[in-house]
Amino acid sequence: GAVVSQHPSWVICKSGTSVKIECRSLDFQATTMFWYRQFPKQSLMLMATSNEGSKATYEQGVEKDKFLINHASLTLSTLTVTSAHPEDSSFYICSAMGLKTRRGPTYEQYFGPGTRLTVT
Amino acid sequence: GIQVEQSPPDLILQEGANSTLRCNFSDSVNNLQWFHQNPWGQLINLFYIPSGTKQNGRLSATTVATERYSLLYISSSQTTDSGVYFCAPRTIGQAGTALIFGKGTTLSVSS
Repeated sequence: GAVVSQHPSWVICKSGTSVKIECRSLDFQATTMFWYRQFPKQSLMLMATSNEGSKATYEQGVEKDKFLINHASLTLSTLTVTSAHPEDSSFYICSAMGLKTRRGPTYEQYFGPGTRLTVT
Repeated sequence: GIQVEQSPPDLILQEGANSTLRCNFSDSVNNLQWFHQNPWGQLINLFYIPSGTKQNGRLSATTVATERYSLLYISSSQTTDSGVYFCAPRTIGQAGTALIFGKGTTLSVSS
């Protein structure tokens, strides 16, 4: 259980175009989803937190008009990188948290496999 | 926000050796997870361990929340254990907030 998928797994796009990344929780309802980015040889940096049906909360320094996040349902969140530039090339990882299990609430986070974005 | 320090930053082992990775954090936590990131970038959940001790095969972890640290033990290391190990806690009282990642320990196991 607790599987999170991402699509696409990798994408190459031209500078100035937009790219949408999907994150799905396959077997549980995710009240909260998180988006991280990771540059080579570095750690994961939190970009934003999204709760189903409400606006995402962005971390300091992350442009909300550039990284559009939509959490339309309890199983789907999308990240759209608008007007992508080469410096946006990175590994984007989503994570989902489902608070309820048969044994009670849990704050465990489950991670998707990541999306590697290359902007040329 | 919470500060997370992992040590050592790099570790080189011979196959069969044991190792201990440490994670210190600056605030009280209600969640702490250890991950192994494989060469393709996938984060593998190792432990969900806000407190206490857990074991899974050759791996075990201990979190002493009152002293704000966690340890990951790897015994009889294998070449497939190579990769980056991340510790990620969440601050207590903030249930809807994200895990914050340390910088990781890069482990290289040679045969």
